[in-house]
Amino acid sequence: NAGVMQNPRHLVRRRGQEARLRCSPMKGHSHVYWYRQLPEEGLKFMVYLQKENIIDESGMPKERFSAEFPKEGPSILRIQQVVRGDSAAYFCASSPSSDTQYFGPGTRLTVL
Amino acid sequence: TQLLEQSPQFLSIQEGENLTVYCNSSSVFSSLQWYRQEPGEGPVLLVTVVTGGEVKKLKRLTFQFGDARKDSSLHITAAQPGDTGLYLCAGPPPGSWGKLQFGAGTQVVVTP
Repeated sequence: NAGVMQNPRHLVRRRGQEARLRCSPMKGHSHVYWYRQLPEEGLKFMVYLQKENIIDESGMPKERFSAEFPKEGPSILRIQQVVRGDSAAYFCASSPSSDTQYFGPGTRLTVL
Repeated sequence: TQLLEQSPQFLSIQEGENLTVYCNSSSVFSSLQWYRQEPGEGPVLLVTVVTGGEVKKLKRLTFQFGDARKDSSLHITAAQPGDTGLYLCAGPPPGSWGKLQFGAGTQVVVTP
């Protein structure tokens, strides 16, 4: 049973470009969570999604960030018009229900 | 302010020694999870504790959940270099479900 998959593992963008991060949850998991880990900081919750629904987006910045988890395909975290402060490791986690979460390897975003 | 305080922040020990890492809060948690994270990777789940006073063992690792469900500890017996990593405790913030609040972590280094 494959774990949580994230791609790309590394992403480099110039200021003003868009970043798209993908997450495929573990098989049978319908709950997806996104977290951000800034350099020298802990993991911070961003958003919690179930298929086609955003359950909790209390950790998402109000502008430029969006997330979706369509009926088919991976969950996408989208960052528009990236700035240097967006450079971080972005982790996706999944769970079969709202309990124990299993994390992917992360996407390291670098904004030049 | 951190809802979950971890101590110490950093721990360096020799192979064969024992160590204990603490995770404390002034709030009651319905459950706490312990993860280990290595550089460039996502957090890997070690254990979930849900019952006050619960003790769980995973080989040389012993996890305890406080009676009041406000604190937890991780004890490693006869540490090995493979135990090196960032140990994170996490739990759902009181009154919420789904998202996890993480502590800042304890960096453990075990030297041969």
